[in-house]
Amino acid sequence: KQEVTQIPAALSVPEGENLVLNCSFTDSAIYNLQWFRQDPGKGLTSLLLIQSSQREQTSGRLNASLDKSSGRSTLYIAASQPGDSATYLCAVNNQAGTALIFGKGTTLSVSS
Amino acid sequence: DTEVTQTPKHLVMGMTNKKSLKCEQHMGHRAMYWYKQKAKKPPELMFVYSYEKLSINESVPSRFSPECPNSSLLNLHLHALQPEDSALYLCASSQVLTGANVLTFGAGSRLTVL
Repeated sequence: KQEVTQIPAALSVPEGENLVLNCSFTDSAIYNLQWFRQDPGKGLTSLLLIQSSQREQTSGRLNASLDKSSGRSTLYIAASQPGDSATYLCAVNNQAGTALIFGKGTTLSVSS
Repeated sequence: DTEVTQTPKHLVMGMTNKKSLKCEQHMGHRAMYWYKQKAKKPPELMFVYSYEKLSINESVPSRFSPECPNSSLLNLHLHALQPEDSALYLCASSQVLTGANVLTFGAGSRLTVL
């Protein structure tokens, strides 16, 4: 059974720092990996999707990498801002015809 | 229109009430999902519809009854719920039900069962 783990569970940084969020998964036979952002009490916003054949994806200050063989992904946030404060969820889809399996998330707090 | 719209945003109901959560998308997506998220926990899959047919039911209690009346709408009918069913219910859609698709999520319906 696929399990997704995110480390750390919480992270506090001052504004302007670069940071890395980690995600690991136990079954490397995935179709894709998706990073989401969730603000308190709100729905999920998709940040980046990495297909299994890809190594990384970039969107603005965000860069996500995927190492399928080792079962790991990282989300790199450059020059963090207070508006980046949220919970970041990693999710994988490892079988055609099934839905995403989520990690528990990393709650990020960026102080000004 | 690139949104998934969920109504109501908040719902409070008693254990004997019958209510429904609604989800709508106009992106032409043919796969629609219901997820349940408890506080400080990740979303957990409840149901998946593919081309208006129930494709996945993750052993959800029968007090939750999904319905997909057409390709744009997804309902979740609620009856005889328990206080532990209080949670954020998230709807999502994707083009089709395959591993390569991006899921678009709605803002959620926060349910409180008294």
